[in-house]
Amino acid sequence: QVRLVESGGGVVQPGRSLRLSCAASGFTFSSYAIHWVRQAPGKGLEWVADISYDGRNKYYIDSVKGRFTISRDNSKNTVYLQMNSLRPEDTSLYYCAKQLPGRGSYYDYWGQGTLVTVSS
Amino acid sequence: SSDLTQDPAVSVALGQTVRITCQGDTLRSYYTSWYQQKPGQAPVLVIYGKNNRPSGIPDRFSGSDSGNTASLTITGAQAEDEADYYCNSRDSSGNHVVFGGGTKLTVL
Repeated sequence: QVRLVESGGGVVQPGRSLRLSCAASGFTFSSYAIHWVRQAPGKGLEWVADISYDGRNKYYIDSVKGRFTISRDNSKNTVYLQMNSLRPEDTSLYYCAKQLPGRGSYYDYWGQGTLVTVSS
Repeated sequence: SSDLTQDPAVSVALGQTVRITCQGDTLRSYYTSWYQQKPGQAPVLVIYGKNNRPSGIPDRFSGSDSGNTASLTITGAQAEDEADYYCNSRDSSGNHVVFGGGTKLTVL
């Protein structure tokens, strides 16, 4: 069955870095785009970034552009989110999600999320 | 970028029909998808594209579109449908994704 497992979250001081991982199984990983979506405590969902199936195309929400980098290793079935210069407003539960084929923003599978807390 | 607007809260009597709406200019160009999220759980896709339901989603869930408004309809709401519901779509550039603010559905 399809499974997405996020890891790498934790408590970090403002200005520091974290790298999140999303390990996938149960499907042909190299054929699908993967997205990161976050949810601040008690708040709604916010799209953060996505990467195409082959890693060539990457897009970011403006608030993280220049600070976050998304990448993937199709040999390891894993997507990464390198988060630098973290800010308190980046505190959220970070989900990775598998996109259905095509141009729609349709996520048929989600992980359970990894919590990032940015605090001094 | 583009904003998607949802009513913050909606209620429905058990067994009745409820419509949850999502408004935004980008919906004139792109289909939406709808997610159900229960407390402490990851979102679940319930409707995508032109009224498509993933396997395992009850047929009481349906979607429709008109102009700049997308709607999720639950026909015969059940107690287990009480949850937060989010719409999303591509923005005007087609390269970014936007979510609505979410609608908290209460089943009375």
